Amino acid sequence: AQSVTQLGSHVSVSEGALVLLRCNYSSSVPPYLFWYVQYPNQGLQLLLKYTTGATLVKGINGFEAEFKKSETSFHLTKPSAHMSDAAEYFCAVSDHTGFQKLVFGTGTRLLVSP
Amino acid sequence: DAGVIQSPRHEVTEMGQEVTLRCKPISGHNSLFWYRQTMMRGLELLIYFNNNVPIDDSGMPEDRFSAKMPNASFSTLKIQPSEPRDSAVYFCASSLGEAKNIQYFGAGTRLSVL
Repeated sequence: AQSVTQLGSHVSVSEGALVLLRCNYSSSVPPYLFWYVQYPNQGLQLLLKYTTGATLVKGINGFEAEFKKSETSFHLTKPSAHMSDAAEYFCAVSDHTGFQKLVFGTGTRLLVSP
Repeated sequence: DAGVIQSPRHEVTEMGQEVTLRCKPISGHNSLFWYRQTMMRGLELLIYFNNNVPIDDSGMPEDRFSAKMPNASFSTLKIQPSEPRDSAVYFCASSLGEAKNIQYFGAGTRLSVL
């Protein structure tokens, strides 16, 4: 069964600092990997995805993630945090077959202080 | 583009009452998903419809839960009778074509069962 583990339920950064949210996956087949973001009182929205090809994936709002097979990781980064980045971030994995069920991590809440 | 629309946004009910949550997917999307989000269990897939047909309902917790999709533009999730442990945020999501893991979420219904 596929799964993802997000390290740290809360991450606090100062505005302008580097954002690093960690995600490790477990999968017996090459996975599809995703980051979704949930702003307060809203549904989740796709931030970026990795399917095949280039291992460095760029998403919206200046976020990017790198697929590292050797480390089974898909960490999310942003060079400079903005107050508007404060949200909950979910890493997710799916396979290539069937209905490509998304399996979500437990989420990491990003807090940005001025 | 209206996005996925869920109603009501908030529902407060008493134990034993019937609760019906509603969802209108994005026009043209052929897959619909119902999720439940709680602090304890995170984001769980309850049921998945494809072309209005339930494909996977293995996540439905028990017989008190039922879901229908009578047409391509409407789905309901019903809980009867409701219990306090059903208190959660329920999300509906839809996707287009073969990219079932690229999902668009509604804003959710926050259910409180007293």
